[in-house]
Amino acid sequence: DTAVSQTPKYLVTQMGNDKSIKCEQNLGHDTMYWYKQDSKKFLKIMFSYNNKELIINETVPNRFSPKSPDKAHLNLHINSLELGDSAVYFCASSQYGRGGQPQHFGDGTRLSIL
Amino acid sequence: KQEVTQIPAALSVPEGENLVLNCSFTDSAIYNLQWFRQDPGKGLTSLLLIQSSQREQTSGRLNASLDKSSGRSTLYIAASQPGDSATYLCAVSPRAEETSGSRLTFGEGTQLTVNP
Repeated sequence: DTAVSQTPKYLVTQMGNDKSIKCEQNLGHDTMYWYKQDSKKFLKIMFSYNNKELIINETVPNRFSPKSPDKAHLNLHINSLELGDSAVYFCASSQYGRGGQPQHFGDGTRLSIL
Repeated sequence: KQEVTQIPAALSVPEGENLVLNCSFTDSAIYNLQWFRQDPGKGLTSLLLIQSSQREQTSGRLNASLDKSSGRSTLYIAASQPGDSATYLCAVSPRAEETSGSRLTFGEGTQLTVNP
């Protein structure tokens, strides 16, 4: 069984469109994250939710809006997509929301903006 | 601001060789350090996590050490195999966020190729 699953795996769309990426974890974790990996493979955190509450919000444009309907799901909606949004977006989760526990990652969503 | 650096950026070794990957971080006030493996087109797989109070962790042929005061960690891979070929990333968790979530700061990774 997949522990952290993201959909879709690939997303190709036009500039200016709005799109969503979904993430689900079946590990029973209470904290979930979104990371962005750019073309140089550098990973940077975007958001973190603990029990549906936003706890980390990095300097991310307002066009990006995370939503956590429950602690097993964290979705990412992006408005007015720009060329610079092209990247791989990774979802992750961890136990108890504490820094002492390893984070488990999904396989990523490869977003390409035309 | 925490910065994480990994050296070398790329490494190519023959099968069977022992090797060391290096990670350094600028702010020693960390809660833990985690080593990940990333295969092409895949997500990250957690290999080892070292708490700030620990000096090392071992899993099979992998051994990770942590010297928090000097801001360094190493990942030692014994008897390397072609299947070890991947990008290895280290990431640190800041102490200020030990109770709720963790803002992992990643290095840029070391791309390892083990040749048969």
